[in-house]
Amino acid sequence: DGGITQSPKYLFRKEGQNVTLSCEQNLNHDAMYWYRQDPGQGLRLIYYSQIVNDFQKGDIAEGYSVSREKKESFPLTVTSAQKNPTAFYLCASSISSVNTEAFFGQGTRLTVV
Amino acid sequence: DQQVKQNSPSLSVQEGRISILNCDYTNSMFDYFLWYKKYPAEGPTFLISISSIKDKNEDGRFTVFLNKSAKHLSLHIVPSQPGDSAVYFCAAYLAGGGNKLTFGTGTQLKVEL
Repeated sequence: DGGITQSPKYLFRKEGQNVTLSCEQNLNHDAMYWYRQDPGQGLRLIYYSQIVNDFQKGDIAEGYSVSREKKESFPLTVTSAQKNPTAFYLCASSISSVNTEAFFGQGTRLTVV
Repeated sequence: DQQVKQNSPSLSVQEGRISILNCDYTNSMFDYFLWYKKYPAEGPTFLISISSIKDKNEDGRFTVFLNKSAKHLSLHIVPSQPGDSAVYFCAAYLAGGGNKLTFGTGTQLKVEL
């Protein structure tokens, strides 16, 4: 079945460690996104990519990094520079044309202890 | 700077009645709007969208209204059902902004029996 897969669903890391969240899609979408959800904050855009080998910072990119080496994959690294990394992370994708719906994965709950 | 705002964090409605969820935006360059529904620990799912050239779009029990002069949109659900209980997010694309999709803070809808 086509869709977006985020793994793992739950992730625990020690403070000061970098961690990479996986996002894979087989929808042949060009655009991919990473959002973060915190209580009362809605979904805030971390990074997005409109095409392979290109990505742009969203509204809260500090402390995060991404790569887009393949169309299907858009991994997000939460670095030790991110001050409040504990959150629910959501990956999404959409076709290349603007003004189309984005499809979301099931999310990864990252807890840093 | 929250460009897409949902000022009501929660809404409670009786089954069978109309649910009205509101969303305001500050950037007049937003030109396409979407509503998503989200259950806890899951990714959002797309509900309905509207282009800025329209003022209404309907899909079954869901209708979205757009008032460009007021920079306001609303989602009407009628009749409301218990399964509609979820968090609802409005989102917007920026004209000429590529694929950047900005979300509001969400409204928790509870449909009571």
